[in-house]
Amino acid sequence: GAVVSQHPSWVICKSGTSVKIECRSLDFQATTMFWYRQFPKQSLMLMATSNEGSKATYEQGVEKDKFLINHASLTLSTLTVTSAHPEDSSFYICSASRLAGGTDTQYFGPGTRLTVL
Amino acid sequence: GDSVTQMEGPVTLSEEACLTINCTYTATGYPSLFWYVQYPGEGLQLLLKATKADDKGSNKGFEATYRKETTSFHLEKGSVQVSDSAVYFCALINSGGSNYKLTFGKGTLLTVNP
Repeated sequence: GAVVSQHPSWVICKSGTSVKIECRSLDFQATTMFWYRQFPKQSLMLMATSNEGSKATYEQGVEKDKFLINHASLTLSTLTVTSAHPEDSSFYICSASRLAGGTDTQYFGPGTRLTVL
Repeated sequence: GDSVTQMEGPVTLSEEACLTINCTYTATGYPSLFWYVQYPGEGLQLLLKATKADDKGSNKGFEATYRKETTSFHLEKGSVQVSDSAVYFCALINSGGSNYKLTFGKGTLLTVNP
């Protein structure tokens, strides 16, 4: 149990376009979902935390108008990278937790590789 | 702020060799400590955890002891297998107030050869 999927697994887009990444909890209800960004040979950096039905809480330095997060149901959260630029190219990983605030174990998705040309 | 430092890889071992991946942390208060593993093409999985000083987390032959005096949480295994090849991340949660955010180290790539 506790499987989290992400779609797509990789995406290539042109500069200026928007890209949507989905994160789904397949066999449990996720009250809280997290979005991370990982650069090569770097640690995972938390971008934002979202609770179902509430606005996401963004970490310092993360542009909320650029990285739109929606957590409309207990099994789905989406991250939309708006007006993507090459510097947004990265590996994006989501995680999901049953309990609010992530006090329970976080279950991670396999990640999405975004390349912006 | 909180931070986690783990040994840089890659680490390459032969099957049945001993493994140690060092991890030290900086945090205020009393963080919980974790080791996550990421197998090729898969998401991070919780390998083991420890929530207070002197606790030992263990799973699948891996162990790590929460050492508050040295602010360390080194991962050890006495005899590695090819199937242990993966990236290992040390992490902490510092639950001061309502903050339950995970802080990760950079990850250590382990390759075990037959």
